[in-house]
Amino acid sequence: SYELTQPPSVSVAPGQTARITCSAEALPDQYVFWYQQKPGQAPLLIIYRDILRPSGIPERFSGSSSGTKATLTISGVQSEDEADYYCQSPDSSGPWVFGGGTKLTV
Amino acid sequence: EVQLVESGGGLVRPGGSLRLSCAAAGFSFNSYTMNWVRQAPGKGLEWVASISDSGDHTYHADSVKGRFTISRDNPEKSLYLRMSSLRADDTAIYYCVRDPNGYKYGDSWGRGTLVTVSS
Repeated sequence: SYELTQPPSVSVAPGQTARITCSAEALPDQYVFWYQQKPGQAPLLIIYRDILRPSGIPERFSGSSSGTKATLTISGVQSEDEADYYCQSPDSSGPWVFGGGTKLTV
Repeated sequence: EVQLVESGGGLVRPGGSLRLSCAAAGFSFNSYTMNWVRQAPGKGLEWVASISDSGDHTYHADSVKGRFTISRDNPEKSLYLRMSSLRADDTAIYYCVRDPNGYKYGDSWGRGTLVTVSS
């Protein structure tokens, strides 16, 4: 199995752009998924298959992936975006692998 | 609307057993792989177990293998997690999670049920 590494925290002013990275020594040839979790709530899928947004997720959320790093970008950050963000990718042998999570402070 | 409602959590002593349930509604339950994911207090997410749409194939994390068993009842639209030999580090919120298309991710999550293992 492998590990996904995220920065523990990211801080950004309202209206600015936040970028949260998710890296591995060798990111496998698997998709990366991103979840948002607000206090006391269940995780919410915000990006799937590297770059796709589920219906209802604002366009300011976008994803990218290249080589050993995936990035979640939040453009024009709003106060309501303050939350924990987790990346996730499946291991080829079966289990899901989660990053340690990033606390976004606005 | 997809609904996943977990139940069965509570306080249990170390070494004890518990069975979690997840009631599904709003989608064709028997067409989806289902999962349990947990989150210890103040910690990150940890995948626990998966079960195929038919129930024929199951997978468990190494940390719970031999102690936890995932199962499902498709006519009842229910998912289960049988937990035994519980330890303090099993204390967590347990989420029932739907996995679409077999890509191994969760597009719908329940609100979770809290399991506390303590003497």
